[in-house]
Amino acid sequence: DIQMTQSPSSLSASVGDRVTITCRASQGIRNDLGWYQQKPGKAPMRLIYAASSLQSGVPSRFSGSGSGTEFTLTISSLQPEDFATYYCLQHNTYPPTFGQGTKVEIK
Amino acid sequence: EVQLVESGGGLVQPGRSLRLSCAASGFTLDDYAMHWVRQAPGKGLEWVSGITWKSSFIAYADSVKGRFTISRDNAKNSLYLQMNSLRAEDTAFYYCVKDKGMRLLFYFDYWGQGTQVTVSS
Repeated sequence: DIQMTQSPSSLSASVGDRVTITCRASQGIRNDLGWYQQKPGKAPMRLIYAASSLQSGVPSRFSGSGSGTEFTLTISSLQPEDFATYYCLQHNTYPPTFGQGTKVEIK
Repeated sequence: EVQLVESGGGLVQPGRSLRLSCAASGFTLDDYAMHWVRQAPGKGLEWVSGITWKSSFIAYADSVKGRFTISRDNAKNSLYLQMNSLRAEDTAFYYCVKDKGMRLLFYFDYWGQGTQVTVSS
């Protein structure tokens, strides 16, 4: 199975900060990667698909980049509603696998 | 608006069975593959099983193969997960998830709110 390694596993940031989360794949997955946001007690919600395409309705402060084995999710200016856990998902190779998550907390 | 509503979760003893259901609305279920994804307490996400639009192809995670059975009834706009021989490690929130096309592409674009399964004596 492809291992997806996210870093950091958690971070503390302030409203207005620029936040970057990285996901590394154990082998190349082209751009077959999505990013999900999960708030406590809620289902995950997709933010980004195909590594860099913004899901309809998602604020433009979210962006994704990368291809192959290294990917990045960036929040350009952190808002109060962005405090959550973020997961990456690879769907290039069966079985699909998620990163372990990055918890974004308030500083 | 796409809506997925899971039901059927609960507390069950090890070795027993449980059947989860997912009611779909706001889209034509026939046109899409569907999945179950789970999340153990305080843990990350794990894909469990997927089924193509006409049930012609089905896949399972190794952790549930031989114990869980996914099925669908497009006429009833419903997805199911029959879970047998349940173990403590199956304790999790179970999410019904829509794919983007008829095949298993694993583009998890819409998720239900989930149903809790607790396996304990």
